[in-house]
Parts: sequence; C-alpha cells; structure tokens
Amino acid sequence: DTAVSQTPKYLVTQMGNDKSIKCEQNLGHDTMYWYKQDSKKFLKIMFSYNNKELIINETVPNRFSPKSPDKAHLNLHINSLELGDSAVYFCASSQKRSYGYTFGSGTRLTVV
Amino acid sequence: AQRVTQPEKLLSVFKGAPVELKCNYSYSGSPELFWYVQYSRQRLQLLLRHISRESIKGFTADLNKGETSFHLKKPFAQEEDSAMYYCALSGLGGNKLVFGAGTILRVKS
Repeated sequence: DTAVSQTPKYLVTQMGNDKSIKCEQNLGHDTMYWYKQDSKKFLKIMFSYNNKELIINETVPNRFSPKSPDKAHLNLHINSLELGDSAVYFCASSQKRSYGYTFGSGTRLTVV
Repeated sequence: AQRVTQPEKLLSVFKGAPVELKCNYSYSGSPELFWYVQYSRQRLQLLLRHISRESIKGFTADLNKGETSFHLKKPFAQEEDSAMYYCALSGLGGNKLVFGAGTILRVKS
C-alpha cells in the first residue's frame, strides 16, 4: 500500500523519559512534516524537511528534535517528556503545494 | 502571515438539510486552499482542493477572493458526514499548510 505510516500508534510514558516516533512514506514525496494536534483538536506545524534538509522549524522547545535519514523517513525524538507534550502527533508528506498533504494515522502520546 | 478562521466550533444539522461550513482566510499572496476531513480518531484526509474545482462526496467549495472565503457546502447532509472538518491554506515558502481550528459537523437523524 502506498501511504504515510507512523509508529507507534499509541505511546504512554512517564514524565522525564525520552521517546521517538518514526514516520515513513513510500509516495516518492520530497517534503515531510510533523504536526501536533492538541486536546482542542488544533493542528500546528512543528517541522518540515525537504529532501533531508530542515526548511521549517516553528517555535518548538528544543527537547523536540527531528531527524531525516533520507527523504522517505522523518523521525521525531522527544527528550525529557512533560505532561504538556501529551497530544496526537501527525506525520505528513507532500510533493507540490497545490496537491495538499497525505497524513499518517497519528501517534497518540500520553505523558503520565 | 497566513491565517485561517473557521468561526463555528460545532455545526449540528438534520439529515437531508443543507450544510455550509465557513472558512475565511488572510494571506497577501496567491493562496492554495484545501478542506480536510477527520473522522473519529482517524487520520486527516484531503477532501477538496480549490484548484481542482471538483465535488467529492457531494461537497463543493468555491474560492471567493473578494470575500477571502472558501466555504464548504453540501446540499443534503448524510449521517456519515459527521466528522471534524478543517480548512487549510498553503502560501509560498516551504509548502507550509496552516489549518483553521476546525468545525465539528454533527448530522442528526
């Protein structure tokens, strides 16, 4: 199946831990993104990579670090997790501005 | 700066009634506008792009540059249309997509 896939789907962890979320797309898209959907369902962009190069880095705590080993993968590593990091994190990819994005199914992160 | 406003948090209609989900935008350049739908606990799916001028699942949306609006319409709502709908704008620079706050559409039987 051609898609954007994220793992894990659910992640429950304690405050202070470090965790990673992985994303892979096999659509041949050049650009990948991380979005955060908060408890009020508001979607905000965090990062964007184009061909392994960081092009968007919104105001995000530096505990969040994206890594793109190649243009098909974009991972998100989070250090020293806090309660406020609890959210759904969506990965997405796109090829051209006018085509819109293809989203992954999301990772529901709960910090306890 | 890019900004998308969806004034209604919740829109509740009866099955068979017309639906209009409002979206206004602010952007100084030439925007690309989209509607995305998110069914309960699922991924966001692209519903419509203004550039393609298509109708998907009976929904249409017309870009009105004078009113800076991109309202989503459907003449007869169905129960399976119940979902969260997001309007989104892409401006120039990095393909960044900015989302509105979303509108929950509830279709009652």
